[in-house]
Amino acid sequence: DTAVSQTPKYLVTQMGNDKSIKCEQNLGHDTMYWYKQDSKKFLKIMFSYNNKELIINETVPNRFSPKSPDKAHLNLHINSLELGDSAVYFCASSLGLHTGELFFGEGSRLTVL
Amino acid sequence: SQKIEQNSEALNIQEGKTATLTCNYTNYSPAYLQWYRQDPGRGPVFLLLIRENEKEKRKERLKVTFDTTLKQSLFHITASQPADSATYLCALGSGNTGKLIFGQGTTLQVKP
Repeated sequence: DTAVSQTPKYLVTQMGNDKSIKCEQNLGHDTMYWYKQDSKKFLKIMFSYNNKELIINETVPNRFSPKSPDKAHLNLHINSLELGDSAVYFCASSLGLHTGELFFGEGSRLTVL
Repeated sequence: SQKIEQNSEALNIQEGKTATLTCNYTNYSPAYLQWYRQDPGRGPVFLLLIRENEKEKRKERLKVTFDTTLKQSLFHITASQPADSATYLCALGSGNTGKLIFGQGTTLQVKP
């Protein structure tokens, strides 16, 4: 059973389009995250939710909107895609806010043409 | 601003030797430090966590040290194997938000 699963794994789209990436965790964790890994391999946090409540909202364009319908799901919607949005987006979860260890999904590679 | 530095150059070692990876940080006082392994096309996998009041942590062939004075962590893999070849990321955390700041990673290549 996959602990943190995200779909789709690959996404190729045109500039200006709107796309969503879905994430689900079956670990019973309270906290979920979205990280972005750019071409230089830096992993940067974008958002985190704890029990459906937004905790971290880094300096991310308003075009990015996370949604957590329940604590097992955290989706990422991106409006008006730009070339610079091309990256690998990782979903992750942790037991709680103070527990440290993150469990990552396999990533969703977004390519904007 | 907060900065984490890992050796950007790949580390190549011979099988059986000890690999030592470095993580330095500035303008930060982390409560804990973590190491992750990332294989190509995969998500990072947690390896070890060490807290600010701990000097050293071990897990099987892995050892992590944490020097808050030097602002440095060393990650050792003893008796390295080709299967240890991967990119290793260090990450710093503090506070109560669960936020981790990651270094860019060091790629380790273990040759048979």
